[in-house]
Amino acid sequence: GESVGLHLPTLSVQEGDNSIINCAYSNSASDYFIWYKQESGKGPQFIIDIRSNMDKRQGQRVTVLLNKTVKHLSLQIAATQPGDSAVYFCAERPPLASKLTFGTGTRLQVTL
Amino acid sequence: NAGVMQNPRHLVRRRGQEARLRCSPMKGHSHVYWYRQLPEEGLKFMVYLQKENIIDESGMPKERFSAEFPKEGPSILRIQQVVRGDSAAYFCASSPGLRTRPSHEQYFGPGTRLTVT
Repeated sequence: GESVGLHLPTLSVQEGDNSIINCAYSNSASDYFIWYKQESGKGPQFIIDIRSNMDKRQGQRVTVLLNKTVKHLSLQIAATQPGDSAVYFCAERPPLASKLTFGTGTRLQVTL
Repeated sequence: NAGVMQNPRHLVRRRGQEARLRCSPMKGHSHVYWYRQLPEEGLKFMVYLQKENIIDESGMPKERFSAEFPKEGPSILRIQQVVRGDSAAYFCASSPGLRTRPSHEQYFGPGTRLTVT
């Protein structure tokens, strides 16, 4: 069935280094892919999205890459800060649907 | 500019009681979604509503769960005769509407953490 999954459940990164969080998806027809950040006890916070007809999109300190050939999505965070510590979810919107399908999440731990 | 509001933030119910979770979307948003999250897991879609209409309830359990989004007031997720397995965080999200379908940008509230004892 359709699924969005992540390769690494936990990622530890030193402060100042770059972080890369990966996600694999299975529905090649999805038209949007979104990254969310969820801090403990809070709701998911929208970070960045990318449309299926793009392969790269940049935001403030974040970049999302989409590789449709291998159905892979990644989130790059530059100069990772302690405030980036959270669980990161990728999500996809299947075609003709309004709901989002979420992956299981990657916990990012920033060490000093 | 207030974000998505949910209340209560924490709710404790005994088995067999009813739980009512409320969600007020962001100003200007006409589409509401409910998701459930178990500990250490991703969010699972439950239901998508517009004002006075249920558009997609494919993620809702067939029994005991219902949702509404009346013309006036917040969206309500209602769970009757709660069981321990209903314990989870329930998140509401809202999005603005486009001409043909809602935007993919969904903004989430802080969630309601339901504990069934």
